[in-house]
Amino acid sequence: GQQLNQSPQSMFIQEGEDVSMNCTSSSIFNTWLWYKQDPGEGPVLLIALYKAGELTSNGRLTAQFGITRKDSFLNISASIPSDVGIYFCAGSNSGYSTLTFGKGTMLLVSP
Amino acid sequence: DAMVIQNPRYQVTQFGKPVTLSCSQTLNHNVMYWYQQKSSQAPKLLFHYYDKDFNNEADTPDNFQSRRPNTSFCFLDIRSPGLGDAAMYLCATSRAGGTWGHLETQYFGPGTRLLVL
Repeated sequence: GQQLNQSPQSMFIQEGEDVSMNCTSSSIFNTWLWYKQDPGEGPVLLIALYKAGELTSNGRLTAQFGITRKDSFLNISASIPSDVGIYFCAGSNSGYSTLTFGKGTMLLVSP
Repeated sequence: DAMVIQNPRYQVTQFGKPVTLSCSQTLNHNVMYWYQQKSSQAPKLLFHYYDKDFNNEADTPDNFQSRRPNTSFCFLDIRSPGLGDAAMYLCATSRAGGTWGHLETQYFGPGTRLLVL
């Protein structure tokens, strides 16, 4: 089946630093989604990407859909303590289908 | 303005005692999903409903069942919980059949954490 490789597995950074994480796949996806999950809560959708090459921002977050449709990255600028959590990428194919999740990137931000 | 609601947030049950988890949504989405998430892992899809059509994942144990009495509600039934079923259970919804490109976006509820004693 399809697999997503998400990296890094974890990051520990200082407040104010920029962060970058990415996902790669062995197969093509037509949609890439980025979620953040706080401890004890459900994943919250951050950014949805629907077209190859698309670059989308949501506040300090920027995500891009790779032109090969096999990868995506998420950048967080000027990190703050509330950015702490686990970030998941997820991919899907066209039409109605289920999501394939990456294994997550745990982000820790030191004040 | 809660969109996907899960009750209860925490559920304690006994080994072997049936338990039901609830999910409701105000988004009028036609697809509802149930995921199991264990510590430090990604959510794992158990099954989903496309309207009234039930779709079970191949590796979902028979111990897990689901009901969707109407568009807004979906239930997860665990017939005989084992210690290994202790996890966070996430409900999600999406709209399928609309504008292309928005079919796959799933919105999650806050989850129900199940503890099996």
